[in-house]
Amino acid sequence: EAQVTQNPRYLITVTGKKLTVTCSQNMNHEYMSWYRQDPGLGLRQIYYSMNVEVTDKGDVPEGYKVSRKEKRNFPLILESPSPNQTSLYFCASRASVGSGSLYEQYFGPGTRLTVT
Amino acid sequence: GDSVTQMEGPVTLSEEAFLTINCTYTATGYPSLFWYVQYPGEGLQLLLKATKADDKGSNKGFEATYRKETTSFHLEKGSVQVSDSAVYFCALGGAAGNKLTFGGGTRVLVKP
Repeated sequence: EAQVTQNPRYLITVTGKKLTVTCSQNMNHEYMSWYRQDPGLGLRQIYYSMNVEVTDKGDVPEGYKVSRKEKRNFPLILESPSPNQTSLYFCASRASVGSGSLYEQYFGPGTRLTVT
Repeated sequence: GDSVTQMEGPVTLSEEAFLTINCTYTATGYPSLFWYVQYPGEGLQLLLKATKADDKGSNKGFEATYRKETTSFHLEKGSVQVSDSAVYFCALGGAAGNKLTFGGGTRVLVKP
């Protein structure tokens, strides 16, 4: 089954304790992205990657890091989480623009993070 | 930059009622437009899309038409069901191809 998986699904942590949220896709997609969802703001892009070893900032990158060492994985790293990073996080992937599925992104189930 | 504005919810309807969710956008160039749906406790699923002006996207009884002249992509369904209760997001894919820009989401609650 084609899917995007995220782990963990729920996480409660304390300020300053480093954490990683994993994301993996099995569709051989080149593009992957992280979004955060906050009430009334919709989803806002944190980072994205157009291919292995190619990453770039989205609209709200402060406090986050990413890496893309393999095509299927795109972990999100919070080096020193703060309460304002409490949110619902989604990973997404899509094929390259030239594949015919223009901009159709597939989303993971979400990770609900609470930072106290 | 690109932006999407959609009506705030919640929208509460009775079963078999007509649903409209307004969405307008601002973008440079010729974006693709999408409606995503998020059912309780789940991730986002693509509901429908339109990639150029006057295209009509449709799926599961929902429809939306890409109106360039009014920069709109309103979502409609003629007869909603309880199972349509969800949050609906309008989104655009810009020319650069590196992200989707989302509206704030509209929560829809359909009562029996």
